[in-house]
Amino acid sequence: DVKVTQSSRYLVKRTGEKVFLECVQDMDHENMFWYRQDPGLGLRLIYFSYDVKMKEKGDIPEGYSVSREKKERFSLILESASTNQTSMYLCASSGPGQRDEKLFFGSGTQLSVL
Amino acid sequence: GENVEQHPSTLSVQEGDSAVIKCTYSDSASNYFPWYKQELGKRPQLIIDSRSNVGEKKDQRIAVTLNKTAKHFSLHITETQPEDSAVYFCAEVDFNKFYFGSGTKLNVKP
Repeated sequence: DVKVTQSSRYLVKRTGEKVFLECVQDMDHENMFWYRQDPGLGLRLIYFSYDVKMKEKGDIPEGYSVSREKKERFSLILESASTNQTSMYLCASSGPGQRDEKLFFGSGTQLSVL
Repeated sequence: GENVEQHPSTLSVQEGDSAVIKCTYSDSASNYFPWYKQELGKRPQLIIDSRSNVGEKKDQRIAVTLNKTAKHFSLHITETQPEDSAVYFCAEVDFNKFYFGSGTKLNVKP
């Protein structure tokens, strides 16, 4: 069975802290994504990675960075957490090719920044 | 980023009625339009998709239509059941990047 695993289900951090959100997939997928989900705003793309060490900005990259040192792991980094980054963060992955674009999601990390 | 607009934001129907959710997009190069369902407290999951070479696709009680000229696509659920209650997201896929609509919260009243 397909698995996308996010390291934490709930996380509470203080303003100014550096925060790492980890995501691991076991499907050998090239593509990995970080989204944030807020009520009424849907799923907004933060960053996308299409290969190891490769990344592209999504719609809302400000205040975030990412790291993809290994194919199976995609990390989201909040350099200095702020209260407006309180949100549900969803990691996802998808395989290569036109006919294999199904997106598999992790279970999410609810981050609260106080 | 891409602009995907989704309507309505909330939809309440009686069990057995039909539900329709509509999305519009701006990037004419997109060819793949999936729909995801997210039940309360769970992760989004793919329920159906459409590609630009197919105008309509049906899978049991759900169907999708796509109008590339008008740049809109729709999800149709017939004979709704309480277990259809969830948030539904449309998406436009451009070069493997998924851009989602803002979501529709569907409530099916028994």
